[in-house]
Amino acid sequence: QQPVQSPQAVILREGEDAVINCSSSKALYSVHWYRQKHGEAPVFLMILLKGGEQKGHDKISASFNEKKQQSSLYLTASQLSYSGTYFCGTEMNSGYALNFGKGTSLLVTP
Amino acid sequence: GAVVSQHPSRVICKSGTSVKIECRSLDFQATTMFWYRQFPKQSLMLMATSNEGSKATYEQGVEKDKFLINHASLTLSTLTVTSAHPEDSSFYICSATKLKNTEAFFGQGTRLTVV
Repeated sequence: QQPVQSPQAVILREGEDAVINCSSSKALYSVHWYRQKHGEAPVFLMILLKGGEQKGHDKISASFNEKKQQSSLYLTASQLSYSGTYFCGTEMNSGYALNFGKGTSLLVTP
Repeated sequence: GAVVSQHPSRVICKSGTSVKIECRSLDFQATTMFWYRQFPKQSLMLMATSNEGSKATYEQGVEKDKFLINHASLTLSTLTVTSAHPEDSSFYICSATKLKNTEAFFGQGTRLTVV
């Protein structure tokens, strides 16, 4: 039930864009996106609930295609602070625990 | 905003001893909390679902007698690693959701090192 994330790792220069994908083999109720810095707890980015839903704040946005059981996280005009490991967490039903993907390591360089 | 507090943040213990980790929801009541384990450079793996007033639900492969979970109140869940061994060394982290369909709040995590 673990979702599959791609790519595994990305290196960007400041100002470049990136897309991180998350796919599931099972039907999903919701998709959560988190960013984790080394040795710290994951930090919430956004949650997507409905098929086709898109959300965003600042220069980070995400989409959720319920039919394809996929979600994508879009990072535009990346900043150094965006560096970290991004995890998608999928929920099969409301109130269930999140199953996390293996993570995508993102490094933004000057 | 809602906050989940985890204690201790770091612990070093001798092999064979037990360690208790606390997870508290500070400004909301959590009937359900989740415990995860994360090995270096790996994902968060769900260990168990802690239910207030009832037995925890463990994921496949997680020994319930080794990882004791107690959810005695609506704001506190504890994870006790019994007879710890070096292979139990990991980052343990709890989470709780304030309302359905909202973000999961994570504790700060506990770095356990068994020597």
